[in-house]
Amino acid sequence: EAGVTQSPTHLIKTRGQQATLRCSPISGHTSVYWYQQALGLGLQFLLWYDEGEERNRGNFPPRFSGRQFPNYSSELNVNALELEDSALYLCASKMGGGETQYFGPGTRLLVL
Amino acid sequence: GDSVTQMEGPVTLSEEAFLTINCTYTATGYPSLFWYVQYPGEGLQLLLKATKADDKGSNKGFEATYRKETTSFHLEKGSVQVSDSAVYFCALSESGNTPLVFGKGTRLSVIA
Repeated sequence: EAGVTQSPTHLIKTRGQQATLRCSPISGHTSVYWYQQALGLGLQFLLWYDEGEERNRGNFPPRFSGRQFPNYSSELNVNALELEDSALYLCASKMGGGETQYFGPGTRLLVL
Repeated sequence: GDSVTQMEGPVTLSEEAFLTINCTYTATGYPSLFWYVQYPGEGLQLLLKATKADDKGSNKGFEATYRKETTSFHLEKGSVQVSDSAVYFCALSESGNTPLVFGKGTRLSVIA
């Protein structure tokens, strides 16, 4: 069974640009979570999508947004990039009603 | 709000040594508890979990017991290997509909 996949693996942008990160969940999983792992800040919850709807978001500004598509894949968009957005962005998926989240390998975003 | 506290390390052990990584939590309800492992350059992998008090999660020689009375979920392994070198994250989830709350991670280095 294929795991959670994320693309691209690495992304380099400059300040003010926009970044789009993609995530494909495990087959049969309907929930997708996004987390940010910035150096020294640990893992912080960004967004949760379930059945195509945004269900919850963490303490991040509105320039962090996303969506979930009918096939349950998801996209994270970061607008007006700032240097401190440089981080590893992890996507996790979960079965509806399940408790365990399974993580992808992450997208490493570098903002110059 | 919910929180997880774990020893930050780094922890350096010789091969075949005994490992303990402490994890305590604060939660309003009765959360599920998880240990995830992150190998260099990779995403998070689920190591083990426990969903109710006195449950013991185990995998690959690692164990952790959900202790409600001490609000703890310490990770142990009897004999570590060089291949266990990684960052270990303790996490909790209040329910299937809430994001994971992570500790800051503990870096383990095992030397031959």
